[in-house]
Amino acid sequence: GEDVEQSLFLSVREGDSSVINCTYTDSSSTYLYWYKQEPGAGLQLLTYIFSNMDMKQDQRLTVLLNKKDKHLSLRIADTQTGDSAIYFCAEMAPGRGGYNKLIFGAGTRLAVHP
Amino acid sequence: DTGVSQDPRHKITKRGQNVTFRCDPISEHNRLYWYRQTLGQGPEFLTYFQNEAQLEKSRLLSDRFSAERPKGSFSTLEIQRTEQGDSAMYLCASSPGLATNEKLFFGSGTQLSVL
Repeated sequence: GEDVEQSLFLSVREGDSSVINCTYTDSSSTYLYWYKQEPGAGLQLLTYIFSNMDMKQDQRLTVLLNKKDKHLSLRIADTQTGDSAIYFCAEMAPGRGGYNKLIFGAGTRLAVHP
Repeated sequence: DTGVSQDPRHKITKRGQNVTFRCDPISEHNRLYWYRQTLGQGPEFLTYFQNEAQLEKSRLLSDRFSAERPKGSFSTLEIQRTEQGDSAMYLCASSPGLATNEKLFFGSGTQLSVL
């Protein structure tokens, strides 16, 4: 079955880079996603990567995908206090009826300190 | 377009009572999902609609849970005879239904507390 694992907590200093790691199990996943959740809020889609790509950059965000090891990472450059949140990795998995559903990890809580 | 809207934001109920939540997806999104999130966990898939058709229900969705999307627009999730274990954040998401890239847009959720 599908399973997504993440480290639970990361603490970084403001201005440093943050790297959040994720492993997934479904090798047929064609898309992988990063979502951000702030306290009391829903999930916000940050970025995604297609499985035939190794890297995707979007402003301060860099996604790296190692498909062989089923490892995904999210790098946030110049981390700010506003980046403090929970970050969820998700893989796309097949559902019934020809659609796809997302399977989420437990989330990594990022704490940014001065 | 204001995004996915969920109502209420918070619900406190006593064990054994019935509760109903509403989700209004982004207009013209034909796919609608319900997820449940407990403290310290990621969202867990509950059920999915393609227009008004409910195509999949997770094993997490016991007989006490029912979801509808009668006209293919808004959806409701009802929990009958609530139990303390039902306490969680219930998240709704919608998707435009592009076949290959399932980008889900989430609402802010309904936080349910069962006393």
